[in-house]
Amino acid sequence: DIVMTQSPLFLPVTLGQPASISCRSSQSLVHTNGNTYLHWFQQRPGQSPRRLIYKVSNRDSGVPDRFSGSGSGTEFTLEISRVEAEDIGVYYCMQGTLRPHTFGQGTKLDIK
Amino acid sequence: EVQLVESGGGLVQSGGSLGLSCGAFGFRFNYYWMSWVRQAPGKGPEWVANINRDGSEKYYVDSVKGRFTISRDNAKNSLYLQMNSLRAEDTAVYYCATDPGWGAYDRWGQGTVVTV
Repeated sequence: DIVMTQSPLFLPVTLGQPASISCRSSQSLVHTNGNTYLHWFQQRPGQSPRRLIYKVSNRDSGVPDRFSGSGSGTEFTLEISRVEAEDIGVYYCMQGTLRPHTFGQGTKLDIK
Repeated sequence: EVQLVESGGGLVQSGGSLGLSCGAFGFRFNYYWMSWVRQAPGKGPEWVANINRDGSEKYYVDSVKGRFTISRDNAKNSLYLQMNSLRAEDTAVYYCATDPGWGAYDRWGQGTVVTV
């Protein structure tokens, strides 16, 4: 199985400041079809997960443009340009390139 | 309104069985692969199983193979998960989710709690 490793696991951030979450996979997420199936999810306290970004860098409808995703191969990053209070929660990367689809351990973003 | 509504969770003894359901509303259910994803207390999500549009293909995480069965009824816009031989480690919130492809789960239900 592909292991997804996120860092940091805890991320205290000052409102208005940027934040960055790293996600590393144990093997390349480039599918034989050329696509990379790395997605990012946000889970606010008490809520279901919500997809933010799919296939590395495609932001979902309704997701603020302060969220961006980048990366390739085995190294990926989720960036928030200016953290707002509503961004509090846990962020997960997930690979869909190979079954079983696997998630990272999660990064808990909190406000300092 | 697009909605997924899970039901059927509860408290069950180790070795027992439970059947989960997920009703889909507001979108073309038979257009999507569907997945069950679970989340144990304090842990990250874990993909459990998925099923293709017509129910002819089914995939499971190794830890539930032979114990869980995923199915769907497109006429009823419903997804199911039959769980047998339940273990303590199956305790989790179980979510159903639409999968437009390659694990990009774009809609999630509110979840149903299973406690073994």
